[in-house]
Amino acid sequence: GENVEQHPSTLSVQEGDSAVIKCTYSDSASNYFPWYKQELGKRPQLIIDIRSNVGEKKDQRIAVTLNKTAKHFSLHITETQPEDSAVYFCAAKGPGGPGKLIFGQGTELSVKP
Amino acid sequence: GAGVSQTPSNKVTEKGKYVELRCDPISGHTALYWYRQSLGQGPEFLIYFQGTGAADDSGLPNDRFFAVRPEGSVSTLKIQRTERGDSAVYLCASSLEGEAAGELFFGEGSRLTVL
Repeated sequence: GENVEQHPSTLSVQEGDSAVIKCTYSDSASNYFPWYKQELGKRPQLIIDIRSNVGEKKDQRIAVTLNKTAKHFSLHITETQPEDSAVYFCAAKGPGGPGKLIFGQGTELSVKP
Repeated sequence: GAGVSQTPSNKVTEKGKYVELRCDPISGHTALYWYRQSLGQGPEFLIYFQGTGAADDSGLPNDRFFAVRPEGSVSTLKIQRTERGDSAVYLCASSLEGEAAGELFFGEGSRLTVL
């Protein structure tokens, strides 16, 4: 089955710097890769997603890149702000239902003012 | 409703007891998912409903876990003979029906603690 590895597990940056989180997946049939942000004690919320027919997608300060050949995808946050501090999860769609996602282990991002 | 609603938000029980966790999805969302999130981990898929039927229950860890969605809206996750290892946050999510994967809308979760 699908397996998703995410790193780093923790990331600390200064406000205004960029942050990059990387994930790899195992199932070449996976075609959907979302990123969720989870603040402490809160629900995971989708921040950006990408499908396998696209190599890059950008939404303001957030971008995601996908390399299908290497089976890895990355989240890029530019001009980080303290409110970006949270745990970020990557995921890949696994076999089965449209919402059956296999999540990475999470990256705790800390943005220091 | 405005979002996915889950009750109870917190549940403390003793080993061996029976527990029910409830999920009320966003109105009009026909797809409903249960995930389990252990401390420091990403959500782990348990079961997927399309309408009233369980389309994929491959993530349920064993036969102590069962879920229903009798009218295609509210769902209940049932755990029999709870064990300490069942302690986790149980997340429910819903989405619009469709073949293409899309955004999952998660609830705040039910935190289960088994003593």
